[in-house]
Amino acid sequence: DTGVSQDPRHKITKRGQNVTFRCDPISEHNRLYWYRQTLGQGPEFLTYFQNEAQLEKSRLLSDRFSAERPKGSFSTLEIQRTEQGDSAMYLCASSLGTPQETQYFGPGTRLLVL
Amino acid sequence: GIQVEQSPPDLILQEGANSTLRCNFSDSVNNLQWFHQNPWGQLINLFYIPSGTKQNGRLSATTVATERYSLLYISSSQTTDSGVYFCAVENYGQNFVFGPGTRLSVLP
Repeated sequence: DTGVSQDPRHKITKRGQNVTFRCDPISEHNRLYWYRQTLGQGPEFLTYFQNEAQLEKSRLLSDRFSAERPKGSFSTLEIQRTEQGDSAMYLCASSLGTPQETQYFGPGTRLLVL
Repeated sequence: GIQVEQSPPDLILQEGANSTLRCNFSDSVNNLQWFHQNPWGQLINLFYIPSGTKQNGRLSATTVATERYSLLYISSSQTTDSGVYFCAVENYGQNFVFGPGTRLSVLP
């Protein structure tokens, strides 16, 4: 098992551009989470999937953000019309689900919006 | 929503020293985890511990759910223990909430 992987690891973009990040969870994990982390803060929950169903979205997830998990495997997080305030580390995690909800994190995608 | 506090915010230790990190939370939880974020940003799960005590090598953790706190003990600290330690909790179907972290620096 290679763990959770994320691609790309770094992304620099200009304000107004669209970006898409990918997360590949641990293969048997049916839950997948997206978080955002800014400098000096703890990760903040954005959204999560149970298999292919998106079950919860944070108020932090504006209309410019969309996430998908087709077929319940990998997931993508798209940010449209990026703003400088979107600059952050975007983290993906996966878990087996109940009864033990241990979350395993990927290395993150660091986004810089110029 | 549930509030999570961690103390101390910063900690500097000499290699070989012991330390205790604390996490307080404002409501009952069904999930509590401790993570270590290394200087490269990778979050490593240390313990899944909604209650009770666990040990893993030089690290151990105790959660007293009825009093709404958890403690992480680091013994014989090493420079590789440096980084930020996060406590994260889930309150019965609510979002997983992270505390602000404790930044640990272990000096050689």
